[in-house]
Amino acid sequence: EAGVTQSPTHLIKTRGQQATLRCSPISGHTSVYWYQQALGLGLQFLLWYDEGEERNRGNFPPRFSGRQFPNYSSELNVNALELEDSALYLCASSLPDRGYTFGSGTRLTVV
Amino acid sequence: DAKTTQPPSMDCAEGRAANLPCNHSTISGNEYVYWYRQIHSQGPQYIIHGLKNNETNEMASLIITEDRKSSTLILPHATLRDTAVYYCIVRVNTGTASKLTFGTGTRLQVTL
Repeated sequence: EAGVTQSPTHLIKTRGQQATLRCSPISGHTSVYWYQQALGLGLQFLLWYDEGEERNRGNFPPRFSGRQFPNYSSELNVNALELEDSALYLCASSLPDRGYTFGSGTRLTVV
Repeated sequence: DAKTTQPPSMDCAEGRAANLPCNHSTISGNEYVYWYRQIHSQGPQYIIHGLKNNETNEMASLIITEDRKSSTLILPHATLRDTAVYYCIVRVNTGTASKLTFGTGTRLQVTL
């Protein structure tokens, strides 16, 4: 069974640009979660999608947005990039009441 | 979701058991205890979860006190590859998906 896959693995953007990160959940998992982990810090909850709908979002500005497609894959978009957006962005998928399975993440660097 | 408290760091000698404590004194009756770990710069890995009975799998054992206010994750024979940050999380299982809130975890260092 393929795990959660994220692309790209690394992304370098300039301040003010937009970044798009992608996540494919485990087959059959309908929920996708996005987390941000800045260097040396903990995981901060960003967004949760389930059945194509945004269910919850963390304490992040509106320039962080995303969507979930009919095949349950998901995109995270970050507009107007700032230097402090540099972080490891992790995607996870799950079935209800089960543990999360995380991908390996996308390391975004804003210069 | 209830808040958890973990020591910031612990050391363990390779081959010995690593016992990682977690306090969750405000846990509700329908909240489960989940444990994850994160090896440097990788995505967190699910380890184990339980409600009130002790649980064991191929990775670890989870001991939950009778009053459910605390728990201990046990790695029976720690190896260098178990060096990681370990997160204890409590979460309601409602039959639908829900988000996990990660705290700061315990940084376990396994040494020779």
